[in-house]
Amino acid sequence: DVKVTQSSRYLVKRTGEKVFLECVQDMDHENMFWYRQDPGLGLRLIYFSYDVKMKEKGDIPEGYSVSREKKERFSLILESASTNQTSMYLCASSLSAGFYNEQFFGPGTRLTVL
Amino acid sequence: KNQVEQSPQSLIILEGKNCTLQCNYTVSPFSNLRWYKQDTGRGPVSLTIMTFSENTKSNGRYTATLDADTKQSSLHITASQLSDSASYICVVSLSNSGYALNFGKGTSLLVTP
Repeated sequence: DVKVTQSSRYLVKRTGEKVFLECVQDMDHENMFWYRQDPGLGLRLIYFSYDVKMKEKGDIPEGYSVSREKKERFSLILESASTNQTSMYLCASSLSAGFYNEQFFGPGTRLTVL
Repeated sequence: KNQVEQSPQSLIILEGKNCTLQCNYTVSPFSNLRWYKQDTGRGPVSLTIMTFSENTKSNGRYTATLDADTKQSSLHITASQLSDSASYICVVSLSNSGYALNFGKGTSLLVTP
């Protein structure tokens, strides 16, 4: 089974802090994704990466950056956390781009910015 | 405008009853459609995946149908259990994009004793 793990289930930070969310997958997947999920809005793509050191902006990249130094690890960085970044953050991975590219999700990190 | 619309937004049913969730999409060109189940506080887990040539796909008590002509899909849950209480998310993938998925906002299902 594919396993996608996220470093924290719950996180509380203060406004202005730099926040790191870590995601690790153990199935040698090429693609990794970061989403945020808010009530009434569904999942929205922040960034994705299709290879080591490669990244692409998603629908809502403002206020975020990412890092992928190793194939199995994808980090989401909030340079200066703000209260409107309080949300559920979900990481996902998929084997490759293509016709049947199912994404496998991690358990999520619920971030609260005070 | 969200290109994947789900209905109803929420649903409450009695344990043991059946229910059907709807998904209408406008995205094109269509590649495949998936239904995910998301338990509260957890990440989504895939239930079914269908390509445009598939009309139905089952996974235990879950049966998904797809009409690519009308761009409609449904998820039917048979003999519901308390553990079916979750959010069900419809996701559509475009054939010209290897990465981007179009997510519905989900239907929140509560199964009561």
